[in-house]
Parts: sequence; structure tokens; C-alpha cells
Amino acid sequence: AQKVTQAQTEISVVEKEDVTLDCVYETRDTTYYLFWYKQPPSGELVFLIRRNSFDEQNEISGRYSWNFQKSTSSFNFTITASQVVDSAVYFCALSEFGNEKLTFGTGTRLTIIP
Amino acid sequence: GAVVSQHPSRVICKSGTSVKIECRSLDFQATTMFWYRQFPKQSLMLMATSNEGSKATYEQGVEKDKFLINHASLTLSTLTVTSAHPEDSSFYICSAGTDGSANTGELFFGEGSRLTVL
Repeated sequence: AQKVTQAQTEISVVEKEDVTLDCVYETRDTTYYLFWYKQPPSGELVFLIRRNSFDEQNEISGRYSWNFQKSTSSFNFTITASQVVDSAVYFCALSEFGNEKLTFGTGTRLTIIP
Repeated sequence: GAVVSQHPSRVICKSGTSVKIECRSLDFQATTMFWYRQFPKQSLMLMATSNEGSKATYEQGVEKDKFLINHASLTLSTLTVTSAHPEDSSFYICSAGTDGSANTGELFFGEGSRLTVL
């Protein structure tokens, strides 16, 4: 069975600080996908990144960066120089190769304090 | 990119009535769509897999007679909450993939539908 753990329920940081959201996953599959989504108060899911299990390269996109470490089954997300607009709930998710079902973590509510 | 649209975005209904939520893939065909449910301040939980032209596959603990799913075309899946009760109040969101999504992991989510049952 698959499982995604986001141990941080809520995080608050002051604007311009860096913040890292943790994600640890469990799966028996050797091939899988990992995702991060942002859910603002309006509710829609905003896709941030998809990474397959064979690609352990870290990725940077603007102020966002992701650290994928298979050795520790972690896929952490860092926001540098945080902004108020980053305030949202962030979900980490996992899917098996060949299966479009997503298993979501419980989410981390991020609040950026102006 | 591909777009998935849900309608209505918000619905309020009286207890005992039925509510239909539509999920459409606007610019691609989706043989499979997925319905998730999210209670306030909780995670998204998969309810069922909607298969075009066949019966939906429900996750354990989801009442198939309560949550009717119809996937009559390659671009439309509907979720009907029958005889809704206040405990059915939730945020319902669908997702769909294009051909090959199972292998690429590329998925698209609708905007979600917030159901409030009075």
C-alpha cells in the first residue's frame, strides 16, 4: 500500500524567509510519480511539479525548489524568499506507474506573515 | 495544457435532495476520470474511478448507491450525491488524464465543487 506523510500540519514564517515543506512516502513500486500541489483558499489544486522515480535530480523553478532523495523516500519542497501569496495548503502526492490514482498526504498549511 | 472543468463550483441544497456534479475534459478525451472528496481542513481522498462506458470502481468504504457515477462519454463524468445529508457536505474534485497518463503521470484537476447540505 502507498502512503504519503506530511508531518508538518501548519507552518508560519515571516515574509522573505525560506521555508521547507517535508514529504515522506512509502511504496512497494519501483516506478512511481511524486507530485506537489498548492491549494489556495479558493480550493482549486494548482499543479507545481511531477517527478518520476528514476529522476533524482533536484529541480529549481524560480523561488521553488525540490529535493528528491530515494534513499530516505523523501521529496521535500523549499520556497525561498517567501511571499504572502505563497500562503496556501500544500499537498504532496504519489501515484504508481501505470495507475492514475493519486495518494495524497494530509497537507501542510503554510502561512506567510507580512 | 489540457483543461478539466467542473460544474457547479458551489451548490447548496436541502437535506434529502440529490445533487449532480459534472466533470468535463474540454480539449481532450478521458477514458478514465477520478473523483476525490475533501472534508474541511483534511486531505483529498479518492472516492471512485470513473470508466467510460462501464461501471465505476469505488474505493473501500464509499457507498456506490449514495454516490452515483456515470461516464457516458469520453469527455464527461457525473457524480450524483443521492439523498444528500449534512455529512455529505464536502469539496468534490475530479481529475482526468490524457492517453498515456498512466505511464507519464500527467493529470489534470477540475476546479472543484463545494457542496453544502442544509
